[in-house]
Amino acid sequence: NAGVTQTPKFQVLKTGQSMTLQCAQDMNHEYMSWYRQDPGMGLRLIHYSVGAGITDQGEVPNGYNVSRSTTEDFPLRLLSAAPSQTSVYFCASRNDRDIQYFGAGTRLSVL
Amino acid sequence: AQSVTQLGSHVSVSEGALVLLRCNYSSSVPPYLFWYVQYPNQGLQLLLKYTSAATLVKGINGFEAEFKKSETSFHLTKPSAHMSDAAEYFCAVSATNAGKSTFGDGTTLTVKP
Repeated sequence: NAGVTQTPKFQVLKTGQSMTLQCAQDMNHEYMSWYRQDPGMGLRLIHYSVGAGITDQGEVPNGYNVSRSTTEDFPLRLLSAAPSQTSVYFCASRNDRDIQYFGAGTRLSVL
Repeated sequence: AQSVTQLGSHVSVSEGALVLLRCNYSSSVPPYLFWYVQYPNQGLQLLLKYTSAATLVKGINGFEAEFKKSETSFHLTKPSAHMSDAAEYFCAVSATNAGKSTFGDGTTLTVKP
């Protein structure tokens, strides 16, 4: 059972570049979310989805887009990367008992 | 609206000593409360969860937490620290009808030999 899989694990971008962080889960969870983790700031919710075709904004959505075409996949897109988006990104899925399962994270540096 | 405050960004204990990590919350609805642990370079893992069935919740690795409504607290404890407990710990609150979880800023636990 793979759980939540995030790719890539590491990425370096130049300012203005775009990229997609991939997230896939094999637990058939309806609810998925993206967080960013910055030192001393805990986890902040970027976007979330309560099911295929439904997405909504979290606490810090600016500069990020998401889509949810299938239950399994929830990619996060950076349209034009900025140094302020240097962070560690975590994808999570949640079961019907409100327990979240996290991926191993993507460490992103924007130069 | 919901929020979480973790008191103390760093806690240091000796091996074998009591571990106490503090968490206070606010929520406009009866909350679901969680403690997660994060080891270096890994994602978060669930330690335990409170869902109103019992005020004292037992989790994995010998941790437990007590829900105190009057104090709006959900502190995490372990009677005897082990070196392997060194990690970052996050308290989180969720109101299922809102579909979002709010995390505290985290507490880094250091265990000294």
